[in-house]
Amino acid sequence: DAGITQSPRHKVTETGTPVTLRCHQTENHRYMYWYRQDPGHGLRLIHYSYGVKDTDKGEVSDGYSVSRSKTEDFLLTLESATSSQTSVYFCASQGDLNTEAFFGQGTRLTVV
Amino acid sequence: GENVEQHPSTLSVQEGDSAVIKCTYSDSASNYFPWYKQELGKGPQLIIDIRSNVGEKKDQRIAVTLNKTAKHFSLHITETQPEDSAVYFCAALGGGKLTFGQGTILTVHP
Repeated sequence: DAGITQSPRHKVTETGTPVTLRCHQTENHRYMYWYRQDPGHGLRLIHYSYGVKDTDKGEVSDGYSVSRSKTEDFLLTLESATSSQTSVYFCASQGDLNTEAFFGQGTRLTVV
Repeated sequence: GENVEQHPSTLSVQEGDSAVIKCTYSDSASNYFPWYKQELGKGPQLIIDIRSNVGEKKDQRIAVTLNKTAKHFSLHITETQPEDSAVYFCAALGGGKLTFGQGTILTVHP
């Protein structure tokens, strides 16, 4: 399996606070993704990256920002957490398009 | 952008039966269609994929078919086993990003 890890695995935070989730991969993959998973909605793309400092928005990007300063790290920031951002967040990496995307184990975020 | 619809949302079968999950996509330029299996508490894992120049692909008990004209693709699992119970996601690669379906909860009863 590709080496892709997410941290933290679980987090509880208060409404209005900023939160940063980290995704780290050791496969030198070019493409990285952040998804959120909610019942009935499957996996929805928040942001993605196609190289260092190259990022773009997904379908549910409002309230989220990302940064990719190194190939191996892709950070997701909730600028001011809201209860609607309570979810399970998955990071994925992919070497080339049309090849397997490898997922991390997920981060369960609860905003109270 | 790409839109992927997946049906059914839940599927219950008896061990040994076949299971079929169907997906449709909207972007005719999409050219890569993976299927992922997600077990409880884990991230999704690829089980099979198909590219747009192929109509069908098999891997033991799992097969995927693709109809580009109709813009739909399906996952077929034969001789289901209890360990096949999981959430299954289809996806389509279009516009440089993977778009997923809503997921199917498959339950295989012994």
